[in-house]
Amino acid sequence: DTGVSQDPRHKITKRGQNVTFRCDPISEHNRLYWYRQTLGQGPEFLTYFQNEAQLEKSRLLSDRFSAERPKGSFSTLEIQRTEQGDSAMYLCASSPVGPRDGYTFGSGTRLTVV
Amino acid sequence: DQQVKQNSPSLSVQEGRISILNCDYTNSMFDYFLWYKKYPAEGPTFLISISSIKDKNEDGRFTVFLNKSAKHLSLHIVPSQPGDSAVYFCAAANYGGSQGNLIFGKGTKLSVKP
Repeated sequence: DTGVSQDPRHKITKRGQNVTFRCDPISEHNRLYWYRQTLGQGPEFLTYFQNEAQLEKSRLLSDRFSAERPKGSFSTLEIQRTEQGDSAMYLCASSPVGPRDGYTFGSGTRLTVV
Repeated sequence: DQQVKQNSPSLSVQEGRISILNCDYTNSMFDYFLWYKKYPAEGPTFLISISSIKDKNEDGRFTVFLNKSAKHLSLHIVPSQPGDSAVYFCAAANYGGSQGNLIFGKGTKLSVKP
């Protein structure tokens, strides 16, 4: 297993367009998380899944954001009608249940909204 | 309201000396604390963790100390090496409350000079 994969690595989009990111977690990990990181800040929690169930969502996840994990494997994060404030690094992570040793993060997708 | 604070944005240390990175938290419900290291263009990598029932955890050159009464933890790196130069994030979790997400600080950029 090569770890957590995210695609694409970089995305430039015009304001108002929709974008979708994909995350492939470590195969035996039940939990999958989405975080967002802006310059000078630490990662901020967006949402997480246990298998295919979305168990928690942050207030940061506005109505324009939606995440899915259809078969408990890969996940997608979609942002509709992008705004310049959505520009950030979107990080995906996975873990077994009860992650005492922390998550394994992917390298992230950097979104730039112009 | 930031629940996890890293008040030093940067730290510079000579190779071979000790690096001490500090972190304060406000939420007394946190029961698990983690440190992550992040290199540019990569996702954060788990480094070391500590449960709230302990006051020290050691792993090779890395030791984390927890002072619950002061709501303070620190990461000691001894001896520091140039390859340790990275941004270090402190994170906290409330696993007892069944919350799956980690709350991160803003990070401290460590530079280890040869």
